[in-house]
Amino acid sequence: SAVISQKPSRDICQRGTSLTIQCQVDSQVTMMFWYRQQPGQSLTLIATANQGSEATYESGFVIDKFPISRPNLTFSTLTVSNMSPEDSSIYLCSVGTSGIGQYFGPGTRLTVT
Amino acid sequence: ELKVEQNPLFLSMQEGKNYTIYCNYSTTSDRLYWYRQDPGKSLESLFVLLSNGAVKQEGRLMASLDTKARLSTLHITAAVHDLSATYFCAVDYWNNAGNMLTFGGGTRLMVKP
Repeated sequence: SAVISQKPSRDICQRGTSLTIQCQVDSQVTMMFWYRQQPGQSLTLIATANQGSEATYESGFVIDKFPISRPNLTFSTLTVSNMSPEDSSIYLCSVGTSGIGQYFGPGTRLTVT
Repeated sequence: ELKVEQNPLFLSMQEGKNYTIYCNYSTTSDRLYWYRQDPGKSLESLFVLLSNGAVKQEGRLMASLDTKARLSTLHITAAVHDLSATYFCAVDYWNNAGNMLTFGGGTRLMVKP
C-alpha cells in the first residue's frame, strides 16, 4: 500500500481565482491519478499524470482548466483555474496499478463562492 | 466506453438483515474493486477481484465476480450500524494512458438499529 497526503485538505475560494492542490506519496510510483467527486456523486477521472510526460486528460477535462504537474515520482499538483461554483467538489489523487487497485489520498474539499 | 452501474443507489436496512449490492459493467474486464467511503472521508479499499469466480470475504461482507455475466456482487450478512457508508465498485480497463478505473455510481447504505 501507499501513504498519500494532500494539501490543502479544504479551501473556500472566490470565483475567478485558481487553487493548486498538492499530492505527495511516500514511495515512487509510475502513475498518479486525479479525480473529481461532486457533491453526492461518484468519482470521475480528470487525468492521469505520468512523470516526464504530459498528463492525459479524460473527455470533458482540458489542460487550460486543470493544469497538472508531475515533477518527480512522488509528487504531483492539480490546479483548478478560473474557478466557478460548479467546481465545488472533492478532488482526490490516487496511485496504483492494475491488479492491485488504487490507493486514494484524503481529498481536498473545495468550495467556490 | 465502459459503463458501470450499481444498484441500488440507496439502501436502508435494519440491523441483522442480509442484502446484496449489484455492480454491472458493459465491456470485458476481469479486474474489479470494491471501495468504502464514509461521509467526509476518502476511499478505503475493501476487495480486489482479479478473475472469474473470485470470491473474497471480510467480516460481514463478501464480494464475488462473474466476468462472463459482467457482474459483481457485494453481499452483506447480518448488517450492523458500523457498515453504514457509501460503497463503490470500480472496473479496471486499458486506454492509451494505461490502466484506468471507472467507478459505479455508488450505493449509499444506511443500517438502522
